[in-house]
Amino acid sequence: EVQLVESGGGLVQPGASLKLSCVASGFTFSDYWMSWVRQTPGKTMEWIGDIKYDGSYTNYAPSLKNRFTISRDNAKSTLYLQMSNVRSEDTATYYCTRGGVDYWGQGVMVTVSS
Amino acid sequence: DVVMTQTPPSLSVAIGQSVSISCKSSQSLVASDKNTYLNWLLQSPGRSPKRLIYQVSKLDSGVPDRFSGSGSEKDFTLKISRVEAEDLGVYYCLQGTHLPWTFGGGTKLELK
Repeated sequence: EVQLVESGGGLVQPGASLKLSCVASGFTFSDYWMSWVRQTPGKTMEWIGDIKYDGSYTNYAPSLKNRFTISRDNAKSTLYLQMSNVRSEDTATYYCTRGGVDYWGQGVMVTVSS
Repeated sequence: DVVMTQTPPSLSVAIGQSVSISCKSSQSLVASDKNTYLNWLLQSPGRSPKRLIYQVSKLDSGVPDRFSGSGSEKDFTLKISRVEAEDLGVYYCLQGTHLPWTFGGGTKLELK
C-alpha cells in the first residue's frame, strides 16, 4: 500500500525557516518524480514544485522559487521541502504527492504568525 | 501561468441525480507528446485530495464508472452519473501540461 507521511509543520514566526519531510513507503521511491502541493485556509490549491526521481532536476512555481527548495534522499525514501523567509501567506496545509498526483499524503499544517 | 476556470463553484444535488462540472483552460493543454494532462481530483470532507481521472478521461483504479471525463484542448468536463453520498466534497481540475501546474478553483458538491 502506498503511503506518504508528512511531518515538520507547526507554528513559525515570519521570516523564519522550516523544513518539511515526507516519508514514502509501499513503492520504489527512487522510480518516481515527487511533488509538493499546498492548500490555503480558503481551500485554494497551489502546486509548489516537483523533483525528478534521481534528484537531479527540480521545477518550481515561479512565485516560490526564491524561497522554497525541494530535495530528496532516496536511501531514506524521503522528500523534503525547505521553506525560508516564510510569510503569513505561506500559512497552509502542505501535501506531498507522488508523480502525477496519483497519491497524496495526509498533509501537514504550517501556520506563520508572530 | 495557465488559468483554470472551473464552474460552477458549487452544486446542490439529490442522491441519484447526474451532474457535470466544467473546467476551461486559458491555453491548450495538448502537450508536445500529444497527450493532454488534465486531471480531476476529489477532496472529501476532512480528507486529502484523491485523483479520480487523469489524461482527461482515464479512471484511476477503484474509481466507479459513474465518473467520466471528457473534453479536449481548452474545454473539459467531469460527469458524475447517479450521485452517491460518498461523492460529496470538493472537486478540482488540475493541468499538468504546462509549468507551473495549476488548479481550478474547485466545485463543492453538496446534498440538496
